[in-house]
Amino acid sequence: GENVEQHPSTLSVQEGDSAVIKCTYSDSASNYFPWYKQELGKRPQLIIDIRSNVGEKKDQRIAVTLNKTAKHFSLHITETQPEDSAVYFCAASPAAGNKLTFGGGTRVLVKP
Amino acid sequence: GAVVSQHPSRVICKSGTSVKIECRSLDFQATTMFWYRQFPKQSLMLMATSNEGSKATYEQGVEKDKFLINHASLTLSTLTVTSAHPEDSSFYICSASLTGNSPLHFGNGTRLTVT
Repeated sequence: GENVEQHPSTLSVQEGDSAVIKCTYSDSASNYFPWYKQELGKRPQLIIDIRSNVGEKKDQRIAVTLNKTAKHFSLHITETQPEDSAVYFCAASPAAGNKLTFGGGTRVLVKP
Repeated sequence: GAVVSQHPSRVICKSGTSVKIECRSLDFQATTMFWYRQFPKQSLMLMATSNEGSKATYEQGVEKDKFLINHASLTLSTLTVTSAHPEDSSFYICSASLTGNSPLHFGNGTRLTVT
């Protein structure tokens, strides 16, 4: 089955700096890669996703890149703000709407 | 707003009792729902895929007789934790896709504490 590795497990950045989280996956059949943000005690919220036919996608301060050959994808948050502090999860799936395999999560702390 | 509703949000039960958790799709029909479990400071682990009108598909290592899943309608899936023990204490979250091939939306989760 699919295995998703995520690094780093914790990330502390100064407000205004960039944050980068990296994930690798094992199953070449995976074609859909979402990123979720989870605040303490709450549900995961989708922040951005990318499909295998695209190499990069951007939405305001958030961008995701995908290297399907190397089986890795990354989340980039620019101009970080204290409200970006949360746990971020990457995931992989054969397709959107299908079951997700999650990475271990990255706890991001943005210091004001 | 939320598209997947889960109830209850919190439940405390005694060891040996059973607890039912409901997951509803709001304003859309979900033939498939996914149940995840999340222990403190850990990731989400898929427990099972709930299929409307048929048996659920369980992930390896998940006891189907302990975690009973019923998906009797296109808008409701239930997870029953039977004979709960303290080690079952966790955050249980369901998810569904609006169209079947769009991103998964998660319910608000149920924090189960077994004493």
